[in-house]
Amino acid sequence: DAGVTQTPRHEVAEKGQTIILKCEPVSGHNDLFWYRQTKIQGLELLSYFRSKSLMEDGGAFKDRFKAEMLNSSFSTLKIQPTEPKDSAVYLCASSLDREVFFGKGTRLTVV
Amino acid sequence: GDSVTQTEGQVALSEEDFLTIHCNYSASGYPTLFWYVQYPGEGPQLLFRASRDKEKGSSRGFEATYDKGTTSFHLRKASVQESDSAVYYCALSDSGGSNAKLTFGKGTKLSVKS
Repeated sequence: DAGVTQTPRHEVAEKGQTIILKCEPVSGHNDLFWYRQTKIQGLELLSYFRSKSLMEDGGAFKDRFKAEMLNSSFSTLKIQPTEPKDSAVYLCASSLDREVFFGKGTRLTVV
Repeated sequence: GDSVTQTEGQVALSEEDFLTIHCNYSASGYPTLFWYVQYPGEGPQLLFRASRDKEKGSSRGFEATYDKGTTSFHLRKASVQESDSAVYYCALSDSGGSNAKLTFGKGTKLSVKS
């Protein structure tokens, strides 16, 4: 059984670029989350979807961050334009019955 | 809003030492509590959870007891091994509503030397 798949695993972007991170949740899961992970702040929720509907959009991240769920098996997180402070690990997770499974993350470096 | 506070920073132990990582929560409802573990290069993975007062969660020698009175869910292990070195996160989920999102503490890095 495949877990949560995130691509790419690493991304390097120049300041001002647009980047798109991808996520395939576990088949059959109806909740999908995007988190940002940094050493200082830990895990911060960016977006939360239930059955493809946006349930929560992290207030501090609305400006340049946009998550979409195009179908039940694919989600994207777009950052536009990128800034150096966006350098972090971006984790996608999916859930069924409150058991949350995480992908391995995408490490983004903005130079 | 909901929040989780856990032992900050790093905990350094030797093999066979006793481990305690403190976790306290603040929530308006009656949350489900979780411990997650994250190894380098991996996403967090569920260690165990507890949903009711006095319920004990346990896995791989780790355990924690839900204490509604003190709003705590402290992680303990009697004898740590080098392979336990990882980052540990305490988290909660509001089990009363339809919102399944997790609110995490900032993580505690455990380093165990042999």
